[in-house]
Amino acid sequence: DIEMTQAPSTLSASVGDRVTITCRASQSISYWLAWFQQKPGKAPKVLIYKASTLGSGVPSRFSGSGSGTEFTLTISSLQPDDFATYYCQQNNSHSPRYTFGQGTKLEMK
Amino acid sequence: QVQLQESGPGLVKPSGTLSLTCSVSGDSIVNSNWWNWVRQSPGKGLEWIGDISHTGTTNFNPSLESRVTMSLDTSRNEFSLKLDSVTAADTAMYFCARVLPATGTLEWGQGTLVTVSS
Repeated sequence: DIEMTQAPSTLSASVGDRVTITCRASQSISYWLAWFQQKPGKAPKVLIYKASTLGSGVPSRFSGSGSGTEFTLTISSLQPDDFATYYCQQNNSHSPRYTFGQGTKLEMK
Repeated sequence: QVQLQESGPGLVKPSGTLSLTCSVSGDSIVNSNWWNWVRQSPGKGLEWIGDISHTGTTNFNPSLESRVTMSLDTSRNEFSLKLDSVTAADTAMYFCARVLPATGTLEWGQGTLVTVSS
């Protein structure tokens, strides 16, 4: 399996801050990396796909970068609605087809 | 707008079979796509269970492959998951999902909580 490791596990920040979450793959996945946001009791919502492409309707303060094994999600200016848990997901392998990071909980400082 | 809605028993007895259905609206399951199941538990995080194509071809996570069955019901525009011989470790939120066209990633239903307990 391709293992996905996110850092940090928890991030405390304030409205207006610039925040960065990293995701590392155990082997190269090219650009087949997506970022999701999940709020309690809700389905994950895609923010970024193919490492850097913004999902439909996603605010431009979200951006993604990276390729191979190292990826980052950046929120340029944190908004109140952004406090949630963020996951990375790879889809470059066949079996299992998708694997996920363990999540980063973004909490209010 | 595509919507996916999971349904099924919220409580399953140990050693029993977990059975869930995903109802799809706004898209047809016979269109070219892959229809997925993913689960989420506090202990194991997000875990991809498997997928089924519009033609019925399936792929499963090797960790669950021996216990999983997936099927399509084209008349109802639904797809289903069966997981045999369940234990407490199978307690999780179960999500159905489709592949978002041209993205390689997933669009999710709201999820349904399944608890394995006697």
